[in-house]
Amino acid sequence: KAGVTQTPRYLIKTRGQQVTLSCSPISGHRSVSWYQQTPGQGLQFLFEYFSETQRNKGNFPGRFSGRQFSNSRSEMNVSTLELGDSALYLCASSGRGEYEQYFGPGTRLTVT
Amino acid sequence: KNEVEQSPQNLTAQEGEFITINCSYSVGISALHWLQQHPGGGIVSLFMLSSGKKKHGRLIATINIQEKHSSLHITASHPRDSAVYICAQRSYFGNEKLTFGTGTRLTIIP
Repeated sequence: KAGVTQTPRYLIKTRGQQVTLSCSPISGHRSVSWYQQTPGQGLQFLFEYFSETQRNKGNFPGRFSGRQFSNSRSEMNVSTLELGDSALYLCASSGRGEYEQYFGPGTRLTVT
Repeated sequence: KNEVEQSPQNLTAQEGEFITINCSYSVGISALHWLQQHPGGGIVSLFMLSSGKKKHGRLIATINIQEKHSSLHITASHPRDSAVYICAQRSYFGNEKLTFGTGTRLTIIP
């Protein structure tokens, strides 16, 4: 089975712009979670989607949003980018009834 | 205060040494995860456990539910084990999101 894929792998944006990141889960997995990793805050949970519905949400401002499509692919969007949004964004998928998380390689976002 | 505390933050050891990384958590959990992150960012899930002990190759993970404590052990450490090891709790109550420790940076010297 192919692993979790994320696109793009690297991205440079300017303050005030918006960005969309994409995650394709392992085939058959319906749960997709998103995480932000920064040197200062470490890994933090953003949100989780299951069957096109947001099931859990972390403590991030409304500028961070996401969605999941019927094929389980997920996107996250960050609007009005701030310098502090520079981070590695990771997604992970899990199968039905599983807690095991399979991580993608991440998208490294730099905001200038 | 982080709900998940790891120690040590940094660990340097000689090849072949027995390694222990500790993780303490503060709430009831449904599962405790151990993750490995290599330079470049990719994360691999090593273990997910809710009780007892699990072993995979040279890696062993244990958990004590009463003491809210878990350990990751590496036997016969090798330079390729050099990575950041992160524990994460999946809370039992309410929102079952993952909460992460700050990680332990392990360096194994040949």
